[in-house]
Amino acid sequence: DTGVSQNPRHKITKRGQNVTFRCDPISEHNRLYWYRQTLGQGPEFLTYFQNEAQLEKSRLLSDRFSAERPKGSFSTLEIQRTEQGDSAMYLCASSLTTSGWYEQFFGPGTRLTVL
Amino acid sequence: GESVGLHLPTLSVQEGDNSIINCAYSNSASDYFIWYKQESGKGPQFIIDIRSNMDKRQGQRVTVLLNKTVKHLSLQIAATQPGDSAVYFCAEIVYNNNDMRFGAGTRLTVKP
Repeated sequence: DTGVSQNPRHKITKRGQNVTFRCDPISEHNRLYWYRQTLGQGPEFLTYFQNEAQLEKSRLLSDRFSAERPKGSFSTLEIQRTEQGDSAMYLCASSLTTSGWYEQFFGPGTRLTVL
Repeated sequence: GESVGLHLPTLSVQEGDNSIINCAYSNSASDYFIWYKQESGKGPQFIIDIRSNMDKRQGQRVTVLLNKTVKHLSLQIAATQPGDSAVYFCAEIVYNNNDMRFGAGTRLTVKP
């Protein structure tokens, strides 16, 4: 399967713990995006990378959140000192484009539950 | 069957009927629009897109209509099948802002 993959698929953690999620985009896609989705809502943009550069961050991305894409391939999203309000599905998407957004291919998501 | 997006988040249709899912977008400066389908436990899947200089675009069994005057987008699915059951999201994009915003979604249920 050459689609976008995310690990883990599910994560349950206690409030105050740190968690890290990984996204492997489609090979050679230069853009990688992170979204957060809560039940019944559409995905909310968090941040995106073009190659290894993080070009934009939403104000939803508090200082407890950090994302990296060190080699321009896979990306990690870390949440420090998790809060119950962080419980959501975290989606990753990738696209092959140098301008605009066009078609983004989404991964299956990582569902985070903070107890 | 027809929905009015955020005000009627669930649409139920009979198999074989046509479905219309509506979306009222928020930004008159949006340049580009996408419809996504999301099945339970999966990420959103691209269905069809349309640019702001178009008012209609057709795909296989799907048609997207754009009315910029009233900031309204619709997705028409012909001969709806059980496999079409999912939540459908519209997304609007403003190129200069690199900003893609999703609507809240409409759940489509197809009855056999």
